[in-house]
Amino acid sequence: EDQVTQSPEALRLQEGESSSLNCSYTVSGLRGLFWYRQDPGKGPEFLFTLYSAGEEKEKERLKATLTKKESFLHITAPKPEDSATYLCAVQLSRGSQGNLIFGKGTKLSVKP
Amino acid sequence: KAGVTQTPRYLIKTRGQQVTLSCSPISGHRSVSWYQQTPGQGLQFLFEYFSETQRNKGNFPGRFSGRQFSNSRSEMNVSTLELGDSALYLCASSSDRGLEQYFGPGTRLTVT
Repeated sequence: EDQVTQSPEALRLQEGESSSLNCSYTVSGLRGLFWYRQDPGKGPEFLFTLYSAGEEKEKERLKATLTKKESFLHITAPKPEDSATYLCAVQLSRGSQGNLIFGKGTKLSVKP
Repeated sequence: KAGVTQTPRYLIKTRGQQVTLSCSPISGHRSVSWYQQTPGQGLQFLFEYFSETQRNKGNFPGRFSGRQFSNSRSEMNVSTLELGDSALYLCASSSDRGLEQYFGPGTRLTVT
């Protein structure tokens, strides 16, 4: 069964304390892996797409990496405004464009 | 460019009633997907439409249905509402070129 697992479920950081979020996946074939940020009461906001192992993408304090079995979202020197739930999703190579399989998310809290 | 819009934003319905939710994709996007988000199950794929045709369907009962119009706007319908249908319903659109999906703010449905 195709599955996406995110850890930890929740993470509390002090402002400036860098850390990583993990997304492991077990799928029959990967077309792409996506990271989203979701604030309470809002829809997910697209962050990154990764296509192949070894690929890295960066945006401000965030850096996403991909291996054959997992992806990491590294947060460098986080600020309170980075507090949100971070979602990982995969698109299967056999699936259609619009079908994403999501993990349950990591809820990040950054305290000043 | 305007983002994905969803109406209404909030709905309260009674068990047994039916409901219709609307989604307008980003201009030029022909693929529209629907997801249900609950605290217990996270984001789960409902169905995807492309050029007025259902391209993929998730594992939901037949009470959940959808359609897409020639202008790519989409609607989803839930008949005979149950308490367990209370959730945030999210619509996402994507272009023909990219894999990433862009989400709307969602419709919060409460069934009493």
